[in-house]
Amino acid sequence: KQEVTQIPAALSVPEGENLVLNCSFTDSAIYNLQWFRQDPGKGLTSLLLIQSSQREQTSGRLNASLDKSSGRSTLYIAASQPGDSATYLCAVRLVGDYKLSFGAGTTVTVRA
Amino acid sequence: GAVVSQHPSWVICKSGTSVKIECRSLDFQATTMFWYRQFPKQSLMLMATSNEGSKATYEQGVEKDKFLINHASLTLSTLTVTSAHPEDSSFYICSARVGGTGAANQPQHFGDGTRLSIL
Repeated sequence: KQEVTQIPAALSVPEGENLVLNCSFTDSAIYNLQWFRQDPGKGLTSLLLIQSSQREQTSGRLNASLDKSSGRSTLYIAASQPGDSATYLCAVRLVGDYKLSFGAGTTVTVRA
Repeated sequence: GAVVSQHPSWVICKSGTSVKIECRSLDFQATTMFWYRQFPKQSLMLMATSNEGSKATYEQGVEKDKFLINHASLTLSTLTVTSAHPEDSSFYICSARVGGTGAANQPQHFGDGTRLSIL
């Protein structure tokens, strides 16, 4: 069974600082890995999707890296803003499976 | 594009009541829809997968008679929590995936969730 862990569980930074969020998974036979944002009481918004053959994906201030062999992905958010405050979830899909395995998320607070 | 609407967003009801939650794909046809449950500060747990026109596939430990899922059309799936009790209180989120060729490789698009509180 795929176990997905996100550390830290919570993070508070001053505005302008870069954010580094970590995700680790136990089974490296992944099809892809996805990062989501979840605002309080809301559903999930997809941020970045990395295929297993890729090393990283970028979208604006967001950059996600993937090291499949070590079972790790990192989400970098540059020059954080108060609007970046949310919970960030990573989810992994295994090869041959349609299901997503989610981590518990990292709750980020960016202080103005 | 790829908008998923979930209704209601919040429901409070008495113990023993049955509650129906709707999940609609607004601008695409969703052959497959997924229902998740999320407890505070925990990850999303897949409850069941529903394919249009067929019976839902439930994850281990999820009571199919307790959580009734219907996926009667390509744009609508419903989850009914029957005879709800306080331990059923949770945040329920649906997602939908487009159909057609290569559907298995398509991403899931998520609704905004339903906060269910049973008194």
